[in-house]
Amino acid sequence: GQQVMQIPQYQHVQEGEDFTTYCNSSTTLSNIQWYKQRPGGHPVFLIQLVKSGEVKKQKRLTFQFGEAKKNSSLHITATQTTDVGTYFCAGLDNYGQNFVFGPGTRLSVLP
Amino acid sequence: DGGITQSPKYLFRKEGQNVTLSCEQNLNHDAMYWYRQDPGQGLRLIYYSQIVNDFQKGDIAEGYSVSREKKESFPLTVTSAQKNPTAFYLCASRRVWGSGANYGYTFGSGTRLTVV
Repeated sequence: GQQVMQIPQYQHVQEGEDFTTYCNSSTTLSNIQWYKQRPGGHPVFLIQLVKSGEVKKQKRLTFQFGEAKKNSSLHITATQTTDVGTYFCAGLDNYGQNFVFGPGTRLSVLP
Repeated sequence: DGGITQSPKYLFRKEGQNVTLSCEQNLNHDAMYWYRQDPGQGLRLIYYSQIVNDFQKGDIAEGYSVSREKKESFPLTVTSAQKNPTAFYLCASRRVWGSGANYGYTFGSGTRLTVV
């Protein structure tokens, strides 16, 4: 079945440094979504990408969908302590009914 | 405001007991989902339902049961057959039909179940 991987599993950065998490799927995706889960909280939807090579920005966050639609990335510029949490990607392949979540990347930001 | 309400927030259960977790949404979403999250882990799908009176097993359905008698409600029962039920349970809903760009999941605030 479809598998979604994310790297790295953990990332510790100094406040102000950049951060990137990568999401890779075993199958070609029709859509990919990104979520953020704060410590002790629940996942919150950030964005959805549907087009090959698509790039979307939300303030300091940049999301990219690969040309082959099998990978995606989330880049945070100049991290802040409010960026702390776990970032999940979720992919939907052409045959699935539900999005498959990756294991997440846990981001720690040191002040 | 629309959203998903899960209750209770914390739940303690004795071994051998069944327990039901509540999930209600007023977003008029078609589909509802139950996920299990273990510490430091991702989300694993337990059950999902795309229409009333119909539901499908997810990846880890053994030891769990659900019902979908109303569009707004999708309760999850953790039965005594579930070997390791201590976890964080998340309910979610999503619009799957109709126009609109946002088909993201909306999650409830979760229920932390501990077996004592």
